[in-house]
Amino acid sequence: DAKTTQPNSMESNEEEPVHLPCNHSTISGTDYIHWYRQLPSQGPEYVIHGLTSNVNNRMASLAIAEDRKSSTLILHRATLRDAAVYYCILRAGANNLFFGTGTRLTVIP
Amino acid sequence: GAVVSQHPSWVICKSGTSVKIECRSLDFQATTMFWYRQFPKQSLMLMATSNEGSKATYEQGVEKDKFLINHASLTLSTLTVTSAHPEDSSFYICSARETSGDPYNEQFFGPGTRLTVL
Repeated sequence: DAKTTQPNSMESNEEEPVHLPCNHSTISGTDYIHWYRQLPSQGPEYVIHGLTSNVNNRMASLAIAEDRKSSTLILHRATLRDAAVYYCILRAGANNLFFGTGTRLTVIP
Repeated sequence: GAVVSQHPSWVICKSGTSVKIECRSLDFQATTMFWYRQFPKQSLMLMATSNEGSKATYEQGVEKDKFLINHASLTLSTLTVTSAHPEDSSFYICSARETSGDPYNEQFFGPGTRLTVL
């Protein structure tokens, strides 16, 4: 599976937008970009996924670079409940999810 | 969204005993379920893929005789940690993929089971 690179940690002020970057320079044409997050002592939660076009849902937006070698998860207004570890995962079709180290997001009140 | 439950949420056992963890998809059918393990301050590691009615597929380095997986129905998979030892203490998380759904879509995760082996 192609590898992703994320910053270990990021901070954001409450009520402000957060941009979580992910590099995946070795992405292949069939890889979907998935984002999950894990709150403390809980199982991961699906956030969003996309292939080529930018995607929006009620939780977040996913901006995918034109060459697909990077993507950015955008939380439009961070709340304290958004404090979690965010995982960017490349998934080849219907294959399994393999988690990297993720980005630990701290939201400052 | 679809709900996956796990039972128990936490368990403490003595070294040498076996522990069974259940994973259920509550409102959907799941042909495929997955078992992960997570040590403190580390990421999730996929242990095995469980397919209803067939043998599980284990990831490299995971002992299939130690971590027994049974997926006897479309809504239930079980993981049994046999002869547990302190090094098996971890957070075990299952996930499921909806049978009728788009396989490219999301996986639904359970809340996890914290196992402590004394």
